[in-house]
Amino acid sequence: IAGITQAPTSQILAAGRRMTLRCTQDMRHNAMYWYRQDLGLGLRLIHYSNTAGTTGKGEVPDGYSVSRANTDDFPLTLASAVPSQTSVYFCASSDSTGVGELFFGEGSRLTVL
Amino acid sequence: GQNIDQPTEMTATEGAIVQINCTYQTSGFNGLFWYQQHAGEAPTFLSYNVLDGLEEKGRFSSFLSRSKGYSYLLLKELQMKDSASYLCAVRDSNYQLIWGAGTKLIIKP
Repeated sequence: IAGITQAPTSQILAAGRRMTLRCTQDMRHNAMYWYRQDLGLGLRLIHYSNTAGTTGKGEVPDGYSVSRANTDDFPLTLASAVPSQTSVYFCASSDSTGVGELFFGEGSRLTVL
Repeated sequence: GQNIDQPTEMTATEGAIVQINCTYQTSGFNGLFWYQQHAGEAPTFLSYNVLDGLEEKGRFSSFLSRSKGYSYLLLKELQMKDSASYLCAVRDSNYQLIWGAGTKLIIKP
């Protein structure tokens, strides 16, 4: 089934540890996004990529990094996790920059202690 | 700053009709989206409006007035499975999506 796969689905992490959330899509979409979702707040964009080889900063990029080595994969790395990064993280993709609807992965629930 | 406003929570009865409002103030406008999100799940696309007027899709309709910075999602013949959060999002002049916090809809029998 075509779509977006995120891993892990859930993780508890000690503060200061490094963590990479994986995201893979098989729809050949150009644009990919990482959002965090916190209670009472709208989805907030962390980083995005309009096409393979390019990335950009979103609304809340500090403490996070991304790479886009190919069309399918868009990993999100927390270099040194802090408790404020406890959240649900969603990866999404769209078939063209700024036009199409977003397709979301199932989310990764991260708890930083 | 950019802002999307939606009610935090609404309650409706099975079989009834409910209207979820969304008002926005953004730097430019390039379309408005509605997504549905069941608890613990990913958001899924419901509708897209870029021109003024009503878009109907089965039991769901979405309306847009760009001059008023206003949209609503209308759900008819409510079913228990419609219990979910409904997210409004606006694409601004930079083609970035600005998201509302979502409206939690509770359906009662």
